[in-house]
Amino acid sequence: ETGVTQSPTHLIKTRGQQVTLRCSSQSGHNTVSWYQQALGQGPQFIFQYYREEENGRGNFPPRFSGLQFPNYSSELNVNALELDDSALYLCASSLQTGNKQYFGPGTRLTVT
Amino acid sequence: GDSVTQMEGPVTLSEEAFLTINCTYTATGYPSLFWYVQYPGEGLQLLLKATKADDKGSNKGFEATYRKETTSFHLEKGSVQVSDSAVYFCALSDDSNNAGNMLTFGGGTRLMVKP
Repeated sequence: ETGVTQSPTHLIKTRGQQVTLRCSSQSGHNTVSWYQQALGQGPQFIFQYYREEENGRGNFPPRFSGLQFPNYSSELNVNALELDDSALYLCASSLQTGNKQYFGPGTRLTVT
Repeated sequence: GDSVTQMEGPVTLSEEAFLTINCTYTATGYPSLFWYVQYPGEGLQLLLKATKADDKGSNKGFEATYRKETTSFHLEKGSVQVSDSAVYFCALSDDSNNAGNMLTFGGGTRLMVKP
């Protein structure tokens, strides 16, 4: 059984650009959540997808958007990047919406 | 809204010392409470959890008791090891929101254990 994987591991973007981050859920998990972790802070909830539908959203602007695919893998898209978007982006999957979440290692995004 | 406050670090201890990391919370409903650990270069791992008042979560020698009267969930370990050096996050999941098991995290506490 493979764990949660994320790609890429690191990337550097310029302010104003767009970025797509990817997450492969643990086998059999139909729920995925995305979190943003700024340096030295705790993760903040961005949104959650359950069976390809958005199931809740945190306090993030619409330029943060997501997708969940039929195989339950997921993407996080961020448009019009700002310097403050520099952070570690974590993906977590779970068997159902109320179950234990398993976190991936994260993608480190740097916006210059 | 929901929030979690935990003691700031770093906490530096000698091996075999007693550990306490304080955590308090604010929630509108009846949350479940968690401690997560983040080792260098690794993803967050669930350390322990408690789902209702007076429950005690425990794992790998760590313990935390859900205290509703003081809205607290302090993490303790009787004898820390160098391998416990990591960042610890207190978190809650409040079913009264409409985001499944959305987690609200505290700011994290870095623990450094010296031999």
